[in-house]
Amino acid sequence: SQTIHQWPATLVQPVGSPLSLECTVEGTSNPNLYWYRQAAGRGLQLLFYSVGIGQISSEVPQNLSASRPQDRQFILSSKKLLLSDSGFYLCAWSDRNTIYFGEGSWLTVV
Amino acid sequence: AQSVTQPDIHITVSEGASLELRCNYSYGATPYLFWYVQSPGQGLQLLLKYFSGDTLVQGIKGFEAEFKRSQSSFNLRKPSVHWSDAAEYFCAVGVTGGGNKLTFGTGTQLKVEL
Repeated sequence: SQTIHQWPATLVQPVGSPLSLECTVEGTSNPNLYWYRQAAGRGLQLLFYSVGIGQISSEVPQNLSASRPQDRQFILSSKKLLLSDSGFYLCAWSDRNTIYFGEGSWLTVV
Repeated sequence: AQSVTQPDIHITVSEGASLELRCNYSYGATPYLFWYVQSPGQGLQLLLKYFSGDTLVQGIKGFEAEFKRSQSSFNLRKPSVHWSDAAEYFCAVGVTGGGNKLTFGTGTQLKVEL
């Protein structure tokens, strides 16, 4: 069966510091991969999605970037974090029609 | 572009009572529809999904949802709520050829009174 792992689970970072959140999927090949952000009191906002290695689509302009160095690895990064980057970040993968989520990473920028 | 509305931000029900969470979508064709549940501090778990066929779909944990094209709705129901059902519930719509990108509603927070 397929599994998705996301880490770290919790992160407290100072403003201006870099960020790297990593996500890997097992048990499938060539999945679509996604990064979502969930801010307090809001729904989920799609940040990036990828249909293959090196293919990244950005949904909203922001201080973040994503990379897909391997088929089942998806990384969310920032060179300099802002306070507004705080939130709950969810990695997800999909087969043909259904999206499955990881456990999420809490990011607090202080 | 598609959109999803969950009109109830908070709902409180007593344990053992029935539950209906509302979801309305906007999309020109038949969408893919999903319900997810999120416990505090955790990721989203898929409850059920509708692609085509029978408009009443069964999911995990005793949940079901009914697709009503005439009302553009996909309401989630459970005949008897358990205290462990307290969580946030998200309705989502996906479109064919949309790269499997989902549009989510803002969620409904369910509180269960014992």
